[in-house]
Amino acid sequence: DQQVKQNSPSLSVQEGRISILNCDYTNSMFDYFLWYKKYPAEGPTFLISISSIKDKNEDGRFTVFLNKSAKHLSLHIVPSQPGDSAVYFCAASAIRGSEKLVFGKGTKLTVNP
Amino acid sequence: EAGVAQSPRYKIIEKRQSVAFWCNPISGHATLYWYQQILGQGPKLLIQFQNNGVVDDSQLPKDRFSAERLKGVDSTLKIQPAKLEDSAVYLCASSLQGAQSPLHFGNGTRLTVT
Repeated sequence: DQQVKQNSPSLSVQEGRISILNCDYTNSMFDYFLWYKKYPAEGPTFLISISSIKDKNEDGRFTVFLNKSAKHLSLHIVPSQPGDSAVYFCAASAIRGSEKLVFGKGTKLTVNP
Repeated sequence: EAGVAQSPRYKIIEKRQSVAFWCNPISGHATLYWYQQILGQGPKLLIQFQNNGVVDDSQLPKDRFSAERLKGVDSTLKIQPAKLEDSAVYLCASSLQGAQSPLHFGNGTRLTVT
């Protein structure tokens, strides 16, 4: 039972263009969402988060959008840089639940120079 | 700030052998997690500690996996006996306030069971 789904295993974009990574969730109790970035042979690093009381959160080149009615969130990277090439994981948890952080399978982003 | 430290980085063992992993979280972080990441999958929570106590171990295969966190700081995760399907990266993470604050991950231990 996959509660957090990242349906695109990979994405390739040109340097300078926008990267859009998508994530869907099924558990309506989830109210805190995070994106993590992972380089090979390293642990995931926190990128950006959003709580369910917001529909957008921005940090520099990274913006996360949340559509609660569609149970969908997306991460926008503008402009994309070759150093952004990594695996991106979407994760979710429930404040009033077990607080267990559930991860998607990840999307491998490749930014071509 | 020093990050989450894990050792060893790599381990190769034969099935039915035992193995142990060590984790030192970020100083002051009360919550510690062990995740298992199988190739091509997202990290899956095995066990979550709040200080010394276990908060969630519902996905820990307790017949072969055990974990402890002595004095609310360092933690060890043990597998005995190992199976082929245990081949994965074992990630330790810590956070200030449970899953409502970002988790900080170590670089993981890559386990290969042959």
